Amino acid sequence: QQPVQSPQAVILREGEDAVINCSSSKALYSVHWYRQKHGEAPIFLMILLKGGEQKGHDKISASFNEKKQQSSLYLTASQLSYSGTYFCGTDKNQAGTALIFGKGTTLSVSS
Amino acid sequence: EPEVTQTPSHQVTQMGQEVILRCVPISNHLYFYWYRQILGQKVEFLVSFYNNEISEKSEIFDDQFSVERPDGSNFTLKIRSTKLEDSAMYFCASSANRDSANYGYTFGSGTRLTVV
Repeated sequence: QQPVQSPQAVILREGEDAVINCSSSKALYSVHWYRQKHGEAPIFLMILLKGGEQKGHDKISASFNEKKQQSSLYLTASQLSYSGTYFCGTDKNQAGTALIFGKGTTLSVSS
Repeated sequence: EPEVTQTPSHQVTQMGQEVILRCVPISNHLYFYWYRQILGQKVEFLVSFYNNEISEKSEIFDDQFSVERPDGSNFTLKIRSTKLEDSAMYFCASSANRDSANYGYTFGSGTRLTVV
């Protein structure tokens, strides 16, 4: 039931774009995205509920394709501060199941 | 900005000893969680807690683990007889009512548990 993230790692220069994917073999209610910097707690970025909506703030956005049980996180014009490990977390229904996280995608942005 | 508070930040314990990890979730949140992360690896779900009882637990959360909400604010994880493989960063998290459209988890800064 663990979602699968790809790629495992991305190396970028400042200003470049990246896409991180998250897919599940099970029907999903929601997909969450978190960023974790080394030695710190994961920080919530956004949640996408079933319905295929796209969300975003600043230059980070995400989409959720309910039929394919996939979500993608889009990072455009990357900044140094975007470096970290990105985790998607998925849950199956609204009734209280906890998030199960993927293994993470490590993003390194250099100047 | 409301935050989840965890204590202690570091704990070193002898194998076989009991440890209690403490968390103060965000006050108006209803769901509470414990996760752990072995160094450099994924964030693993342990247990979720709602309405003063366990709502879900993973295979990792066996009889050596227990959770409590002893009062209106604290949420604790007890590991009864620690093993070397319990060494990890333990994160507490809380989230709002899941009927809201935005029930993102707020994580505490973690307790690094080292079993020697």
